[in-house]
Amino acid sequence: AQRVTQPEKLLSVFKGAPVELKCNYSYSGSPELFWYVQYSRQRLQLLLRHISRESIKGFTADLNKGETSFHLKKPFAQEEDSAMYYCALSPGSGGYNKLIFGAGTRLAVHP
Amino acid sequence: DGGITQSPKYLFRKEGQNVTLSCEQNLNHDAMYWYRQDPGQGLRLIYYSQIVNDFQKGDIAEGYSVSREKKESFPLTVTSAQKNPTAFYLCASSPPGIKEQYFGPGTRLTVT
Repeated sequence: AQRVTQPEKLLSVFKGAPVELKCNYSYSGSPELFWYVQYSRQRLQLLLRHISRESIKGFTADLNKGETSFHLKKPFAQEEDSAMYYCALSPGSGGYNKLIFGAGTRLAVHP
Repeated sequence: DGGITQSPKYLFRKEGQNVTLSCEQNLNHDAMYWYRQDPGQGLRLIYYSQIVNDFQKGDIAEGYSVSREKKESFPLTVTSAQKNPTAFYLCASSPPGIKEQYFGPGTRLTVT
């Protein structure tokens, strides 16, 4: 079955501390993985995608096919990083751009 | 701020009434989606449409209906058959061949 698991509902850190939001997936093929973010009072938006291998707002995520993980990392958290983060999987095949979302992790960065 | 609009932001209905949520996009995207967002459950796909006059059930379509008469519009009707309709509803769209989805601001529906 296709599934995305985010084991932490809440991650609470202090400003300047490293952050790792965990994401594990279950999919037999070659998926595309994404991280979406929802800041307070803003709409859900794409943060980054694994195929781009980019760093956005200091965040990076590496797809580990052996561990079926796509953890989101940032070396030094900022208060403005506080938001809800969703990991999402898009199956490699299929007639449409289906996304399967995890339950989300709320990141709280304290001063 | 164009892109995807959803109206209204908040909606209240009595149990047993059908209610329609609006979703409009001016991005010229072919595909549109409806999700339901509940605390602790992430986003779950209700319906999607790849092209005008065509739509498919998602993972939790029971109690919902949609139409796609125009490319820019994809309204969702929450019927009285939906057992637990109170939720936050998100509409999204995507261009052809692109996996990224663009989301609207959402509508919070409360049924009492």
